[in-house]
Amino acid sequence: QKEVEQNSGPLSVPEGAIASLNCTYSDRGSQSFFWYRQYSGKSPELIMFIYSNGDKEDGRFTAQLNKASQYVSLLIRDSQPSDSATYLCAVTNSNYQLIWGAGTKLIIKP
Amino acid sequence: DGGITQSPKYLFRKEGQNVTLSCEQNLNHDAMYWYRQDPGQGLRLIYYSQIVNDFQKGDIAEGYSVSREKKESFPLTVTSAQKNPTAFYLCASSPDIYTEAFFGQGTRLTVV
Repeated sequence: QKEVEQNSGPLSVPEGAIASLNCTYSDRGSQSFFWYRQYSGKSPELIMFIYSNGDKEDGRFTAQLNKASQYVSLLIRDSQPSDSATYLCAVTNSNYQLIWGAGTKLIIKP
Repeated sequence: DGGITQSPKYLFRKEGQNVTLSCEQNLNHDAMYWYRQDPGQGLRLIYYSQIVNDFQKGDIAEGYSVSREKKESFPLTVTSAQKNPTAFYLCASSPDIYTEAFFGQGTRLTVV
């Protein structure tokens, strides 16, 4: 079992709809959770981080964390073609190592 | 402007050569990292450093070497021992190992 798992996609969502990206992790002692966006050929850029159970909203983005079920998700409301990218989930485990998922490719269809 | 600068953006290496990738940051971050990314893959950690003059191996350190003589700089050398070095190399930094990392623009290394 990989430490951080994401569905590789591609996930295709119509423009204006909600895109839902999921990530599961194996280390119950994980402390910090991050979502990065990576456009093709570019470096990852931080979108959101979340440390506590529940929801955290920032503009069109909402991160959701459920430590009991060991998953973290990212919702993108009113999806735009510019949101088309690969989304990487990263988790700081109990050894304070940052572990990366392989990413989910998101395609927003106009 | 504060940020992380990687150079060069593109690098070509001949078989048997060592090459050094540069990474400089002016964010006053203590921690710095080197990652390798292959097409369609996630990030794999090569080396990381929490403080000056100290660094630790990551998951795929074989064939690579680093130094951390200054807080701002964390160069990566890809040695001839690395048999498949063609990849996208990303340098990152963070205030410490507990917080989010910020990335440079990457160096794309190709063996010719």
